[in-house]
Amino acid sequence: DQQVKQNSPSLSVQEGRISILNCDYTNSMFDYFLWYKKYPAEGPTFLISISSIKDKNEDGRFTVFLNKSAKHLSLHIVPSQPGDSAVYFCAAVNQAGTALIFGKGTTLSVSS
Amino acid sequence: GAGVSQSPSNKVTEKGKDVELRCDPISGHTALYWYRQSLGQGLEFLIYFQGNSAPDKSGLPSDRFSAERTGGSVSTLTIQRTQQEDSAVYLCASSGDRAWHGYTFGSGTRLTVV
Repeated sequence: DQQVKQNSPSLSVQEGRISILNCDYTNSMFDYFLWYKKYPAEGPTFLISISSIKDKNEDGRFTVFLNKSAKHLSLHIVPSQPGDSAVYFCAAVNQAGTALIFGKGTTLSVSS
Repeated sequence: GAGVSQSPSNKVTEKGKDVELRCDPISGHTALYWYRQSLGQGLEFLIYFQGNSAPDKSGLPSDRFSAERTGGSVSTLTIQRTQQEDSAVYLCASSGDRAWHGYTFGSGTRLTVV
């Protein structure tokens, strides 16, 4: 019973276009969410986060949207660049505030 | 060092043997976490250390798994009597405070049990 779900294992986008990565969660008590990016043979790196008191957070080319009623969040990358090609993980802080619960990840491929 | 350091980077072991995986967190980080990523899966929480508090071991999959953190710094994850399903990348992360500040992950140890 996955609490954080990334239903698309992969996404292919052309350079310059928008990439939209989606994430769903099941526990309405989750109140903080993060996106991580992972290159092969490296650990995940923090990308952007959002608190449940907001519905949008923006950082440069990256924007995260949160729809609490749908228990859904998305990461938008505009414009997409080849260097963005990586695995993107969505995560939620658990209720105890002691750990992150991760989705299975979405592999993004940006072609030039 | 500047980042989270894990050793070894790769480990191949025979089924039934014990293994130890090491994590050196960022200096001054009070929180340390172990996760593992099995093939095709997300990151699975294993254990969490915060300062001198008792660790949160709720993610350890069996009593073959244990972890220590000595002196509030270096941590060792031990897997006894390894099984093939233990094959995964074991990732360590540290943070300055709570999870929502964002972890800094190490590059992981790829464990293969043959």
